[in-house]
Amino acid sequence: EPEVTQTPSHQVTQMGQEVILRCVPISNHLYFYWYRQILGQKVEFLVSFYNNEISEKSEIFDDQFSVERPDGSNFTLKIRSTKLEDSAMYFCASGAGREASEAFFGQGTRLTVV
Amino acid sequence: AQKITQTQPGMFVQEKEAVTLDCTYDTSDPSYGLFWYKQPSSGEMIFLIYQGSYDQQNATEGRYSLNFQKARKSANLVISASQLGDSAMYFCAMRANFGNEKLTFGTGTRLTIIP
Repeated sequence: EPEVTQTPSHQVTQMGQEVILRCVPISNHLYFYWYRQILGQKVEFLVSFYNNEISEKSEIFDDQFSVERPDGSNFTLKIRSTKLEDSAMYFCASGAGREASEAFFGQGTRLTVV
Repeated sequence: AQKITQTQPGMFVQEKEAVTLDCTYDTSDPSYGLFWYKQPSSGEMIFLIYQGSYDQQNATEGRYSLNFQKARKSANLVISASQLGDSAMYFCAMRANFGNEKLTFGTGTRLTIIP
């Protein structure tokens, strides 16, 4: 069964450092997303990406965040200068279309900023 | 704007019993989809079931069924014959079928199955 793959599964970084979270979406999907879940809280939308550009971003997705699809298969989330409050589980998701009956998530990257 | 409400922060259910997890939603979009996800302690988000707003029948996937009541804007998840492995957080989510495609999540229900 096709799946969304995220690496690394866990990353610890020092405050102020840059991190790149990587995702390989399902190959025939066209819509890609990043979500964030702070420990014990609900899942929050960060950004959606379609046709090689951002289609929507939340107010959480400020200038320190960026996304890229560098090579047609990987989908990355970069946090330029991490803060303590960026500690969370970050999920990548992909979907086949707007009315797709499934939306698959990767297993998540747990980011810990110290 | 879309909103999902899950009013049960936690539930305890005896093994083999059926359990209903509540979800109500609010949207002005005429076409939308409703999703349920399971999040075990390991953290991943596992897709369980989907219901389209124009689907005439309630969705079913194995032991999972979705009790969709459009007029009441509710999309409750029913798990039949619960198992110990069903212990997890369960999230209800929705997506408009045009415009943005993001999922909006509820706050979740922690389900604990008691042997």
